[in-house]
Amino acid sequence: QSALTQSPSASGSPGQSVTISCTGTSSDIGGYNFVSWYQQHPGKAPKLIIYGVTRRPSGVPDRFSGSKSGSTASLTVSGLQAEDEADYYCNSYAGNNKWVFGGGTKLTVL
Amino acid sequence: EVQLVESGGGLVQPGGSLRLSCAASGFTFDNYAMHWVRQPPGEGLEWVSGINSRSDNIAYADSVRGRFTISRDSAKSSLYLQIHSLRPEDAAFYYCVKGDGADWGTSFQYWGQGTLVTVSS
Repeated sequence: QSALTQSPSASGSPGQSVTISCTGTSSDIGGYNFVSWYQQHPGKAPKLIIYGVTRRPSGVPDRFSGSKSGSTASLTVSGLQAEDEADYYCNSYAGNNKWVFGGGTKLTVL
Repeated sequence: EVQLVESGGGLVQPGGSLRLSCAASGFTFDNYAMHWVRQPPGEGLEWVSGINSRSDNIAYADSVRGRFTISRDSAKSSLYLQIHSLRPEDAAFYYCVKGDGADWGTSFQYWGQGTLVTVSS
């Protein structure tokens, strides 16, 4: 299974909004509403921040939101804060008991 | 509090074998699917394998099928990954991950801190 496509980097100033995109196919993102997003700070394990395309786990700030259109999913971080600087990975169920990740996007807070 | 503690990583020669373990606590282990996800140092994430709560549905990434075996032990609340025929490209941090449902669920809900597998002669 091929990896989902993410831009390697994104950036924004504190208080701004940034959107990270994740492009797949009709076999993964386009075929299922099982898209999730993970935040990973350097030297730390990934943390779930969005699941089921748009849902936020308890404790995740509502500044993080997810959406999907066709075979492209998006993560929007509003009101950027310094602690949002991290790597972000998208993931989707790809059918036939397979899961696929994006290559990751490094978010820099300027 | 959900805790997932991996162990068993280390330096292994190409062609060698290794068994990774994950001790789970803080939730009813028998009710959730579990996964292994790996990450080469400085690189991205790759789903490796998953096992549902009843161990009757097991899946592997194409890159590891036939060399890796996932299993779980409800009495010990533990997840395992037996790795054979190690290749240099298998070198990575291996994360134990809790699913959010008895079958595959919708996400990788909680992650351990990872155990590092190094492959070198």
